[in-house]
Amino acid sequence: RKEVEQDPGPFNVPEGATVAFNCTYSNSASQSFFWYRQDCRKEPKLLMSVYSSGNEDGRFTAQLNRASQYISLLIRDSKLSDSATYLCVVNAEYGNKLVFGAGTILRVKS
Amino acid sequence: EPEVTQTPSHQVTQMGQEVILRCVPISNHLYFYWYRQILGQKVEFLVSFYNNEISEKSEIFDDQFSVERPDGSNFTLKIRSTKLEDSAMYFCASSRQTADSPLHFGNGTRLTVT
Repeated sequence: RKEVEQDPGPFNVPEGATVAFNCTYSNSASQSFFWYRQDCRKEPKLLMSVYSSGNEDGRFTAQLNRASQYISLLIRDSKLSDSATYLCVVNAEYGNKLVFGAGTILRVKS
Repeated sequence: EPEVTQTPSHQVTQMGQEVILRCVPISNHLYFYWYRQILGQKVEFLVSFYNNEISEKSEIFDDQFSVERPDGSNFTLKIRSTKLEDSAMYFCASSRQTADSPLHFGNGTRLTVT
């Protein structure tokens, strides 16, 4: 099983749609979870940390399911500017570092 | 907001040459990293650095690679005898506390080996 797995997409959605991404991770002892956003040929930028109780930041909601070892990201009322690759990031099974998933591509169309 | 800065933004070099990629991490951060991303692939961990020494490195980070913090602000990645497959975006990152803290990335150096 890969350390971090994501559906690569692409997810093609109209403006205003709600879209959800899932990510599964292999390290049952992981304590740190993040969603990053990456625009084409740019650096990853932190979108939000993911907390055990779930958390929300405006149109974005992140949830953690430890029993099933997955995290999710929900985007409501999608904007054209949300088009990007969304990266799931978890601390590694071995060692003390953060590991990135391959990313899920989102395309929001007008 | 403080930023991680990287130079150069693009480096073209011939196979076999040495390159040095430079980074200035955020000033009050304690952990420094290099990641790379080959075009179309995922972001991969190379090395982490804390308290003036390597704290962890991946299997990618072999003897061809080295890191240094030559002064109080710069953090460099040296690649000796570059190969075609070293062509990638190289991202420097820093974090404030432990290695589990969120990473703040620089805008990357695109390395092209010809």
